[in-house]
Amino acid sequence: DAKTTQPTSMDCAEGRAANLPCNHSTISGNEYVYWYRQIHSQGPQYIIHGLKNNETNEMASLIITEDRKSSTLILPHATLRDTAVYYCIVRIPHLENKLVFGAGTILRVKS
Amino acid sequence: DAGVIQSPRHEVTEMGQEVTLRCKPISGHNSLFWYRQTMMRGLELLIYFNNNVPIDDSGMPEDRFSAKMPNASFSTLKIQPSEPRDSAVYFCASWRAGIGELFFGEGSRLTVL
Repeated sequence: DAKTTQPTSMDCAEGRAANLPCNHSTISGNEYVYWYRQIHSQGPQYIIHGLKNNETNEMASLIITEDRKSSTLILPHATLRDTAVYYCIVRIPHLENKLVFGAGTILRVKS
Repeated sequence: DAGVIQSPRHEVTEMGQEVTLRCKPISGHNSLFWYRQTMMRGLELLIYFNNNVPIDDSGMPEDRFSAKMPNASFSTLKIQPSEPRDSAVYFCASWRAGIGELFFGEGSRLTVL
């Protein structure tokens, strides 16, 4: 798996967009970018994944740069319940049947 | 769908005792994972199974740890003998191998005194 780099922590005001960056400069052409989050005391929860196109679902948007060396997870209207650790992971599906979690970014949403 | 079910949710035991953690994956999922989470080491992958067969146990810390998956709907993680440094939250997760999402259980919080 390509190594990912994320900021240790970030703050965001409630109701504002939270933009969480991830650097994966050594990503290979067939590696997908996955985002998970872990709310305190719970198991990690899948958010979104993508290969090279931007993706959006009911939870978030994923913006991947054209060179695929970095990506940004966007929570459009952060709420206090979005306070969690956010993990960015790269993986080749079908070939690497596992997920390895790094340290992630602690996102604190404040009122 | 009941999700991934783990038991017990909390376990407090004394050093030297045997601990058995249990997991029921989501029906139809063919891969099962055991993770351990501590403040110091974060979320670590211990072992995973494909179609009930252990594929990668390189994360198992030592011989005191063992995991089994006797059938597609049940797995155990056993620690014998347990030590205080084994205190952690142990998560089980499953997926249908592929691109899809990994589903986690609520975890088993183990405290070894």
